[in-house]
Amino acid sequence: DGGITQSPKYLFRKEGQNVTLSCEQNLNHDAMYWYRQDPGQGLRLIYYSQIVNDFQKGDIAEGYSVSREKKESFPLTVTSAQKNPTAFYLCASSISDRGKTQYFGPGTRLLVL
Amino acid sequence: EDKVVQSPLSLVVHEGDTVTLNCSYEVTNFRSLLWYKQEKKAPTFLFMLTSSGIEKKSGRLSSILDKKELFSILNITATQTGDSAVYLCAVDAPGAGSYQLTFGKGTKLSVIP
Repeated sequence: DGGITQSPKYLFRKEGQNVTLSCEQNLNHDAMYWYRQDPGQGLRLIYYSQIVNDFQKGDIAEGYSVSREKKESFPLTVTSAQKNPTAFYLCASSISDRGKTQYFGPGTRLLVL
Repeated sequence: EDKVVQSPLSLVVHEGDTVTLNCSYEVTNFRSLLWYKQEKKAPTFLFMLTSSGIEKKSGRLSSILDKKELFSILNITATQTGDSAVYLCAVDAPGAGSYQLTFGKGTKLSVIP
């Protein structure tokens, strides 16, 4: 089955803790993205990567970090510097050619204890 | 700054009604407009529109783009309870070297029996 998987489904973070959200795709897509969705808000781009070992900041990168060591994987770390991390996090991927559709994973809901 | 505005923000209709969702945009370097349906988790792709005046259709859903007036509409005829979801509009308008989508806040559609 081709697709994008995210884990965990729910994640709880304690104050001062870094947590990592997983995103894996087997679609052979070059580009991968991380979005944050808050209630009543659209999706806001955190980071994106067009190719392995390269990534760019999106609109709200502060307090987050990413890596892209493999084509299939694009983990997102929510650091302690992110003061309001409670949100729904969506990972997406697309073929890198211009104008191609982004396909989304099922999301991870992050809650702060 | 690129902007995508959806209206209405929420809508309640009865089964069998026809609905029209709106998406207007102000972006530079417009390439395409995409519609997604988000039920509980991952947004699922509905349509990608690149040319004005050409209707895209899938079952009871259809969409059209007006590049002169900078808007798109998504029509759903004979609505069913399974159409209840948040409908997201996104515009692909990359700056130099980027592949970002700008999302609207979504329209929450509730279809009641």
